[in-house]
Amino acid sequence: EVQLLESGGGLVQPGGSLRLSCAASGFTFSSYAMSWVRQAPGKGLEWVSAISGSGGSTYYADSVKGRFTISRDNSKNTLYLQMNSLRAEDTAVYYCAKPETTVTTFGAFDIWGQGTMVTVSS
Amino acid sequence: QSALTQPASVSGSPGQSITISCTGTSSDVGSYNLVSWYQQHPGKAPKLMIYEVSKRPSGVSNRFSGSKSGNTASLTISGLQAEDEADYYCCSYAGSVVFGGGTKLTVL
Repeated sequence: EVQLLESGGGLVQPGGSLRLSCAASGFTFSSYAMSWVRQAPGKGLEWVSAISGSGGSTYYADSVKGRFTISRDNSKNTLYLQMNSLRAEDTAVYYCAKPETTVTTFGAFDIWGQGTMVTVSS
Repeated sequence: QSALTQPASVSGSPGQSITISCTGTSSDVGSYNLVSWYQQHPGKAPKLMIYEVSKRPSGVSNRFSGSKSGNTASLTISGLQAEDEADYYCCSYAGSVVFGGGTKLTVL
């Protein structure tokens, strides 16, 4: 079964850091680009970041550029999101998502994790 | 990149058909056949319903269909059922990824 399992969320103070992980199983992880998508409480979906299958190319939303870093370890089938200089507006459920195709980094997301909550508050 | 524009809410009775619009620009929806639609029930992760404008993933009911004209994409749900009540989001490639603001579907 294809599965994504996020972890690492929690409560952090403004200006703090957090690292999210997403463990993948059931598919050839290294063949697929991966993305992080977040959803603030009561709000819509917002794409955050993507990384190519090899890890050689990374992409970020303007709202997190310079503060967040996406990475992956294909030997561990794991995706990461390092979040620094966190702000209250970063409070959200963070989902990792797999595209339905290996052809493009930005394909439609056919598999989503269950999400991990990040709360930025003093 | 600005979010795609969706109506905040739509409603319909069981058995009826509804359409949710998703308006973008010539830089996103209008330029690429990479529009997708997601269904999200409260407290759950989004589920892919339509990709590449009109393709349905395996296991998605054929009551769900997608189309596009110019800068506007549409999701049509026919034969509305109670379990279709959810939030729906459109998404487009635009150099990166942009989502719509979401539409709450109420089945009366």
